[in-house]
Amino acid sequence: EAQVTQNPRYLITVTGKKLTVTCSQNMNHEYMSWYRQDPGLGLRQIYYSMNVEVTDKGDVPEGYKVSRKEKRNFPLILESPSPNQTSLYFCASSLWGRGSTEAFFGQGTRLTVV
Amino acid sequence: AQSVAQPEDQVNVAEGNPLTVKCTYSVSGNPYLFWYVQYPNRGLQFLLKYITGDNLVKGSYGFEAEFNKSQTSFHLKKPSALVSDSALYFCAVRDVGGTDKLIFGTGTRLQVFP
Repeated sequence: EAQVTQNPRYLITVTGKKLTVTCSQNMNHEYMSWYRQDPGLGLRQIYYSMNVEVTDKGDVPEGYKVSRKEKRNFPLILESPSPNQTSLYFCASSLWGRGSTEAFFGQGTRLTVV
Repeated sequence: AQSVAQPEDQVNVAEGNPLTVKCTYSVSGNPYLFWYVQYPNRGLQFLLKYITGDNLVKGSYGFEAEFNKSQTSFHLKKPSALVSDSALYFCAVRDVGGTDKLIFGTGTRLQVFP
Protein backbone atom coordinates (compact mmCIF):
# COMPACT_ATOMS: atom_id res chain seq x y z
CA GLU A 1 0.00 0.00 0.00
CA ALA A 2 1.31 3.41 -0.97
CA GLN A 3 1.83 5.45 2.13
CA VAL A 4 3.70 8.16 3.97
CA THR A 5 4.47 7.28 7.57
CA GLN A 6 5.19 9.86 10.24
CA ASN A 7 6.25 9.28 13.82
CA PRO A 8 5.35 10.13 16.45
CA ARG A 9 1.68 11.05 16.05
CA TYR A 10 1.62 13.09 19.22
CA LEU A 11 4.47 14.74 21.06
CA ILE A 12 4.66 17.03 24.08
CA THR A 13 8.06 18.47 24.83
CA VAL A 14 9.70 21.29 26.73
CA THR A 15 11.29 24.40 25.32
CA GLY A 16 14.83 23.80 24.10
CA LYS A 17 14.81 20.01 24.06
CA LYS A 18 15.86 18.77 20.63
CA LEU A 19 13.45 16.51 18.82
CA THR A 20 13.11 14.72 15.51
CA VAL A 21 9.95 13.80 13.65
CA THR A 22 10.50 10.99 11.19
CA CYS A 23 8.91 10.62 7.77
CA SER A 24 9.18 7.71 5.39
CA GLN A 25 7.52 6.99 2.03
CA ASN A 26 7.36 3.77 0.01
CA MET A 27 6.50 5.19 -3.42
CA ASN A 28 10.03 6.03 -4.62
CA HIS A 29 9.05 9.69 -4.86
CA GLU A 30 11.77 12.23 -5.49
CA TYR A 31 9.97 15.18 -3.90
CA MET A 32 9.28 15.35 -0.18
CA SER A 33 8.25 18.24 1.97
CA TRP A 34 7.13 19.29 5.43
CA TYR A 35 4.16 21.50 6.16
CA ARG A 36 2.77 22.96 9.32
CA GLN A 37 -0.95 23.54 9.78
CA ASP A 38 -2.20 26.35 11.96
CA PRO A 39 -5.80 27.53 12.42
CA GLY A 40 -6.73 30.24 9.97
CA LEU A 41 -3.47 29.88 8.08
CA GLY A 42 -3.93 26.61 6.24
CA LEU A 43 -0.80 24.60 5.52
CA ARG A 44 2.53 26.27 4.96
CA GLN A 45 5.63 24.62 3.62
CA ILE A 46 8.61 24.46 5.96
CA TYR A 47 11.26 22.67 3.87
CA TYR A 48 11.33 20.58 0.77
CA SER A 49 13.66 18.16 -0.95
CA MET A 50 13.84 17.43 -4.67
CA ASN A 51 16.03 14.37 -4.22
CA VAL A 52 18.72 12.81 -2.04
CA GLU A 53 21.03 15.45 -0.56
CA VAL A 54 19.00 18.26 -2.17
CA THR A 55 16.96 20.35 0.24
CA ASP A 56 15.74 23.93 0.32
CA LYS A 57 13.76 26.31 2.49
CA GLY A 58 10.04 26.69 2.13
CA ASP A 59 7.94 29.56 3.42
CA VAL A 60 8.48 29.14 7.16
CA PRO A 61 11.90 27.47 7.71
CA GLU A 62 13.06 29.32 10.84
CA GLY A 63 13.78 26.98 13.74
CA TYR A 64 13.74 23.81 11.63
CA LYS A 65 16.28 21.58 9.93
CA VAL A 66 15.91 18.65 7.55
CA SER A 67 18.07 16.06 5.94
CA ARG A 68 17.66 13.70 2.98
CA LYS A 69 20.28 10.99 3.14
CA GLU A 70 18.02 8.34 1.65
CA LYS A 71 15.29 8.72 -0.89
CA ARG A 72 12.58 7.29 1.32
CA ASN A 73 13.29 9.27 4.51
CA PHE A 74 12.96 12.97 5.27
CA PRO A 75 13.20 13.75 9.00
CA LEU A 76 12.28 17.11 10.47
CA ILE A 77 14.55 18.34 13.25
CA LEU A 78 13.79 20.98 15.83
CA GLU A 79 17.07 21.66 17.57
CA SER A 80 15.67 24.07 20.15
CA PRO A 81 11.88 23.99 20.07
CA SER A 82 9.91 27.00 21.20
CA PRO A 83 6.21 27.36 22.05
CA ASN A 84 5.50 29.07 18.72
CA GLN A 85 6.37 25.78 17.04
CA THR A 86 3.34 24.16 18.64
CA SER A 87 1.44 23.01 15.58
CA LEU A 88 0.22 20.11 13.47
CA TYR A 89 2.91 18.89 11.11
CA PHE A 90 2.51 16.96 7.88
CA CYS A 91 5.04 15.23 5.70
CA ALA A 92 4.20 14.84 2.02
CA SER A 93 5.71 13.14 -1.00
CA SER A 94 5.12 13.29 -4.74
CA LEU A 95 6.82 12.91 -8.07
CA TRP A 96 9.17 15.79 -8.89
CA GLY A 97 8.43 18.03 -11.82
CA ARG A 98 5.06 16.43 -12.41
CA GLY A 99 2.76 19.17 -11.23
CA SER A 100 -0.24 17.22 -12.43
CA THR A 101 0.26 14.44 -9.88
CA GLU A 102 -1.17 14.59 -6.41
CA ALA A 103 0.87 14.63 -3.23
CA PHE A 104 0.51 11.96 -0.56
CA PHE A 105 0.41 13.04 3.06
CA GLY A 106 1.29 11.38 6.30
CA GLN A 107 -1.12 11.12 9.23
CA GLY A 108 0.30 14.19 10.92
CA THR A 109 2.25 14.89 14.09
CA ARG A 110 0.67 17.07 16.71
CA LEU A 111 3.48 18.82 18.56
CA THR A 112 3.06 20.78 21.76
CA VAL A 113 6.01 22.75 23.14
CA VAL A 114 5.61 23.95 26.72
CA ALA B 1 2.56 35.26 -6.46
CA GLN B 2 0.24 32.31 -6.73
CA SER B 3 -2.48 31.93 -4.15
CA VAL B 4 -5.82 30.37 -3.37
CA ALA B 5 -8.62 31.73 -1.25
CA GLN B 6 -11.38 29.92 0.58
CA PRO B 7 -13.80 32.67 1.59
CA GLU B 8 -15.86 30.60 4.03
CA ASP B 9 -14.44 29.32 7.30
CA GLN B 10 -17.44 27.05 7.76
CA VAL B 11 -20.26 25.71 5.64
CA ASN B 12 -23.32 24.15 7.21
CA VAL B 13 -25.68 21.96 5.23
CA ALA B 14 -28.44 19.48 5.99
CA GLU B 15 -27.95 15.86 5.08
CA GLY B 16 -29.33 15.12 1.64
CA ASN B 17 -28.96 18.69 0.41
CA PRO B 18 -26.39 19.75 -2.17
CA LEU B 19 -23.20 21.29 -0.89
CA THR B 20 -20.68 23.75 -2.30
CA VAL B 21 -17.31 24.67 -0.85
CA LYS B 22 -15.82 27.69 -2.58
CA CYS B 23 -12.28 28.26 -3.81
CA THR B 24 -10.80 30.99 -5.97
CA TYR B 25 -7.26 31.10 -7.27
CA SER B 26 -4.68 33.51 -8.58
CA VAL B 27 -1.92 32.08 -10.76
CA SER B 28 0.16 33.03 -13.74
CA GLY B 29 -0.34 30.52 -16.49
CA ASN B 30 -2.50 27.44 -16.38
CA PRO B 31 -3.40 26.29 -12.89
CA TYR B 32 -3.01 22.81 -11.45
CA LEU B 33 -5.73 22.73 -8.79
CA PHE B 34 -6.42 20.19 -6.07
CA TRP B 35 -8.92 19.50 -3.31
CA TYR B 36 -7.93 17.64 -0.16
CA VAL B 37 -10.03 16.56 2.82
CA GLN B 38 -8.93 16.17 6.41
CA TYR B 39 -11.01 14.03 8.71
CA PRO B 40 -10.48 14.34 12.49
CA ASN B 41 -7.15 12.86 13.58
CA ARG B 42 -6.32 11.88 10.04
CA GLY B 43 -3.93 13.13 7.39
CA LEU B 44 -4.92 14.94 4.23
CA GLN B 45 -6.60 12.77 1.65
CA PHE B 46 -6.66 13.63 -2.03
CA LEU B 47 -10.15 14.18 -3.45
CA LEU B 48 -9.71 15.42 -7.01
CA LYS B 49 -7.68 17.62 -9.30
CA TYR B 50 -7.97 19.81 -12.35
CA ILE B 51 -5.11 19.81 -14.80
CA THR B 52 -6.69 20.39 -18.19
CA GLY B 53 -9.72 19.31 -20.18
CA ASP B 54 -13.28 19.11 -18.93
CA ASN B 55 -14.26 21.84 -16.54
CA LEU B 56 -16.24 19.42 -14.39
CA VAL B 57 -13.93 17.06 -12.55
CA LYS B 58 -15.16 14.01 -10.70
CA GLY B 59 -13.38 12.67 -7.66
CA SER B 60 -13.63 10.41 -4.65
CA TYR B 61 -16.66 9.88 -2.38
CA GLY B 62 -19.08 11.41 -4.92
CA PHE B 63 -17.42 14.82 -4.93
CA GLU B 64 -16.91 16.89 -8.04
CA ALA B 65 -15.47 20.31 -8.75
CA GLU B 66 -16.18 22.90 -11.38
CA PHE B 67 -13.30 24.81 -12.91
CA ASN B 68 -14.25 28.28 -14.15
CA LYS B 69 -11.43 30.13 -15.84
CA SER B 70 -13.24 33.44 -16.27
CA GLN B 71 -14.14 33.56 -12.57
CA THR B 72 -10.85 31.95 -11.48
CA SER B 73 -12.79 29.55 -9.31
CA PHE B 74 -12.65 25.85 -8.51
CA HIS B 75 -15.65 25.12 -6.29
CA LEU B 76 -16.14 21.72 -4.71
CA LYS B 77 -19.61 20.24 -4.97
CA LYS B 78 -21.65 17.22 -4.03
CA PRO B 79 -25.28 16.65 -5.05
CA SER B 80 -26.37 15.08 -1.76
CA ALA B 81 -24.41 15.61 1.46
CA LEU B 82 -23.80 12.91 4.05
CA VAL B 83 -23.12 13.39 7.75
CA SER B 84 -19.87 11.50 7.16
CA ASP B 85 -18.75 14.29 4.78
CA SER B 86 -18.23 16.55 7.80
CA ALA B 87 -14.53 17.42 7.71
CA LEU B 88 -12.02 20.15 6.90
CA TYR B 89 -11.54 20.81 3.19
CA PHE B 90 -8.53 22.42 1.59
CA CYS B 91 -8.14 23.83 -1.89
CA ALA B 92 -4.59 24.01 -3.25
CA VAL B 93 -2.67 25.07 -6.34
CA ARG B 94 0.65 23.58 -7.46
CA ASP B 95 3.58 25.94 -7.83
CA VAL B 96 4.51 24.59 -11.24
CA GLY B 97 7.79 25.94 -12.54
CA GLY B 98 8.72 27.15 -9.08
CA THR B 99 9.31 25.00 -6.04
CA ASP B 100 6.57 22.51 -6.98
CA LYS B 101 4.98 23.01 -3.60
CA LEU B 102 1.28 22.99 -2.93
CA ILE B 103 -0.09 26.39 -1.97
CA PHE B 104 -3.08 25.89 0.30
CA GLY B 105 -6.12 27.91 1.14
CA THR B 106 -7.01 28.45 4.78
CA GLY B 107 -9.50 25.59 4.80
CA THR B 108 -13.28 25.33 5.09
CA ARG B 109 -14.95 23.27 7.76
CA LEU B 110 -17.98 21.46 6.41
CA GLN B 111 -20.64 20.50 8.91
CA VAL B 112 -23.45 18.27 7.69
CA PHE B 113 -26.40 18.05 10.06
CA PRO B 114 -28.72 15.03 10.20
